[in-house]
Amino acid sequence: NAGVMQNPRHLVRRRGQEARLRCSPMKGHSHVYWYRQLPEEGLKFMVYLQKENIIDESGMPKERFSAEFPKEGPSILRIQQVVRGDSAAYFCASSREGQMDGYTFGSGTRLTVV
Amino acid sequence: QKEVEQNSGPLSVPEGAIASLNCTYSDRGSQSFFWYRQYSGKSPELIMSIYSNGDKEDGRFTAQLNKASQYVSLLIRDSQPSDSATYLCAAHSGGYNKLIFGAGTRLAVHP
Repeated sequence: NAGVMQNPRHLVRRRGQEARLRCSPMKGHSHVYWYRQLPEEGLKFMVYLQKENIIDESGMPKERFSAEFPKEGPSILRIQQVVRGDSAAYFCASSREGQMDGYTFGSGTRLTVV
Repeated sequence: QKEVEQNSGPLSVPEGAIASLNCTYSDRGSQSFFWYRQYSGKSPELIMSIYSNGDKEDGRFTAQLNKASQYVSLLIRDSQPSDSATYLCAAHSGGYNKLIFGAGTRLAVHP
């Protein structure tokens, strides 16, 4: 299946640890978007990447959060020194170059910080 | 700040009725609009897209767009209990290939 793949599905981290979330886009897609969804809230845009390039990171917290999409391999969303407030569902979506229609989300990673 | 606004609900409708979900957006540059359905604990699923003023129908779903009023709606005819979910409205951020989402409206269809 060529859907958007995210892993892990569930991730538990202690406060102060690092969390790494991975997203493999659909086959043929070169654009990746990360969103965060806090409990009972909507999707908040975090970052938009093309391979080896960050296009828009206006939704990324200034500290502790970073994202990359290397030439080879999945996109990685990295959260350093996690805090309880980072507990959320993190969704990834992908699209083709120039695609302006709605995109498909992966199944998400549910991060729990204890 | 570009925003998409939705009533959080819950919107409760009886089975077989029409559910009407509404959304407004602030960015006049937005050209594309989408409705996603999200079941509890699941990822959002794209159910409708609309790009031009007027109505677009797909099965039991009708999306409506009024760019002058910056208003988008979704009608669900013959609502079923399986339609019970949160419906997210999204607008393409003008000039950028990203979507801005509303907070979602929770729909409950009761037998």
